[in-house]
Amino acid sequence: EVQLVESGGGLVQPGGSLRLSCAASGFTFSDHYMDWVRQAPGKGLEWVGRTRNKANSYTTEYAASVKGRFTISRDDSKNSLYLQMNSLKTEDTAVYYCARGAMTGQVDYWGQGTLVTVSS
Amino acid sequence: DIQMTQSPSSLSASVGDRVTITCRASQGISNYLAWFQQKPGKAPKSLIYAASSLQSGVPSKFSGSGSGTDFTLTISSLQPEDFATYYCQQYNSYPPTFGQGTRLEIK
Repeated sequence: EVQLVESGGGLVQPGGSLRLSCAASGFTFSDHYMDWVRQAPGKGLEWVGRTRNKANSYTTEYAASVKGRFTISRDDSKNSLYLQMNSLKTEDTAVYYCARGAMTGQVDYWGQGTLVTVSS
Repeated sequence: DIQMTQSPSSLSASVGDRVTITCRASQGISNYLAWFQQKPGKAPKSLIYAASSLQSGVPSKFSGSGSGTDFTLTISSLQPEDFATYYCQQYNSYPPTFGQGTRLEIK
């Protein structure tokens, strides 16, 4: 069974940093692209970024709203995905989901999410 | 960025009804379109990919169609567990973008 479990959310002040983790199990993590998607309270879904797999050199893509502030990384030996968030803004407040990219390009599995609150 | 527009934004229907939700892309995306279901306080669930292919384990009451810029999600014989918010997403080009969501409510 595919499982994705996020952790690391919490309350942080504007300008601060936070690192989210996503522990994957039930599939060959190293084969898959992985995404981060967020959802602000009461709002819709927003794609944050993606890391490709080793075969594609672990290259990354980011939404314009987070580029230069957020960094996605992965450790295939630990079946883990990370999101390093720096220079956080109040508008980054959201539930952050990790999601698996299927071989056909779409997201097919989602974690349960972790809440990040940016507030003074 | 490609804009995805869903209609309607909200929809009231009764158990047993058949409903259709529309998603329009601001430019052609071939069939790189996915649909997701989200219930309050829960993570999204993947329903359909490639515009019309069902994710594993998704019941056949859900169906999708379309290509290019216009897409539909149809849910037949609504059951209480189907009342949720539905999102479309294009993954033809970066950044992948979502529609604003369609809230399906019980009448």
